[in-house]
Amino acid sequence: GESVGLHLPTLSVQEGDNSIINCAYSNSASDYFIWYKQESGKGPQFIIDIRSNMDKRQGQRVTVLLNKTVKHLSLQIAATQPGDSAVYFCAENWYNQGGKLIFGQGTELSVKP
Amino acid sequence: KAGVTQTPRYLIKTRGQQVTLSCSPISGHRSVSWYQQTPGQGLQFLFEYFSETQRNKGNFPGRFSGRQFSNSRSEMNVSTLELGDSALYLCASSFYSNEQFFGPGTRLTVL
Repeated sequence: GESVGLHLPTLSVQEGDNSIINCAYSNSASDYFIWYKQESGKGPQFIIDIRSNMDKRQGQRVTVLLNKTVKHLSLQIAATQPGDSAVYFCAENWYNQGGKLIFGQGTELSVKP
Repeated sequence: KAGVTQTPRYLIKTRGQQVTLSCSPISGHRSVSWYQQTPGQGLQFLFEYFSETQRNKGNFPGRFSGRQFSNSRSEMNVSTLELGDSALYLCASSFYSNEQFFGPGTRLTVL
């Protein structure tokens, strides 16, 4: 199958700090990107998305940055809370691929109170 | 609006058996995609159905199949189960194809 699913990198932050989770995507033709949050025992939860004609998009406490030159995506979480502890996945999609999302390996975020 | 529902939530099967998993999308969503999640391989795309037609397929053997009904509900079937098929099977729905919303998954254990 198409995926990069190996050892999960971990990011540990203090409650109240800002978190930055990075993702390198695989296909330069990708034109749509999504960040998902997955808590233990649950399915991935949609956080924020961005299209390739944008460099930045903001949501509530979250910001996604897209750098197409180096095929890099980042998710910034402001004032991280214990409830933000989860695994975060980036996913990419491109024109003519319908609903086929290619997921990154994921990053485990641990928030210390 | 109710979210994506998947049944059953947990399944235990033995090698060689077959299994059918069900997914009910969010009302109004016409696209249903299926993914397999394992610790070793992460999240991998299985296939997508849109208006009862398979629109896209991942790199899985023919033992994995699916279908979609006129009410957009979808089922996936795995025949001749192998130990390596143990995984969390996730279903996601969307109105067209982007912004997919996931269900809680079905945890399949093959013994």
